[in-house]
Amino acid sequence: NAGVTQTPKFQVLKTGQSMTLQCAQDMNHNSMYWYRQDPGMGLRLIYYSASEGTTDKGEVPNGYNVSRLNKREFSLRLESAAPSQTSVYFCATRIGTGEKRTEAFFGQGTRLTVV
Amino acid sequence: GEDVEQSLFLSVREGDSSVINCTYTDSSSTYLYWYKQEPGAGLQLLTYIFSNMDMKQDQRLTVLLNKKDKHLSLRIADTQTGDSAIYFCAESIDNQGGKLIFGQGTELSVKP
Repeated sequence: NAGVTQTPKFQVLKTGQSMTLQCAQDMNHNSMYWYRQDPGMGLRLIYYSASEGTTDKGEVPNGYNVSRLNKREFSLRLESAAPSQTSVYFCATRIGTGEKRTEAFFGQGTRLTVV
Repeated sequence: GEDVEQSLFLSVREGDSSVINCTYTDSSSTYLYWYKQEPGAGLQLLTYIFSNMDMKQDQRLTVLLNKKDKHLSLRIADTQTGDSAIYFCAESIDNQGGKLIFGQGTELSVKP
């Protein structure tokens, strides 16, 4: 029972390159989230998916796209990476809005550097 | 829009109490959370409070909620060096599909 798995753990990209960050969960949760963490800025929500088949923008969606491939997987794509996207990216999941006591479970993070 | 604010740093002596404060803006939040992040790790839930409660105690942790002022605090009694970490306040905005918004995080440093 792995919980929330993010791949890769580390990545270095050149400016303009593209890549996809993967997130998979085995907890049968409905809601999934992508955050970025930067010093002094906390966690900022990029995109979220309340349920399979839906995605919504968060606080900082520009430069990113997402796909909720199925209930288990939620990927984050950078089409043309910029140095401002250097950050630690976290995926999180929750049971869903129908359950009030909804703890979010986090992956271990992906450390991305854009040079 | 939604916003959650915290001070960035707090330093205490081992054995003292720590109080970490948070303010939030969305009055429709159903649950408010405190998460802890240790170096190099993801976030883990410490405790939460339902929006119709004023206080919740869980061992060394006490959460106080002032809904009128939209102010949340986390008190850690008898703070230990192992409590050194970043603490995040978060609100769940359930009328927007369960959007979960975090503050900037407060870095707690516990000195022996």
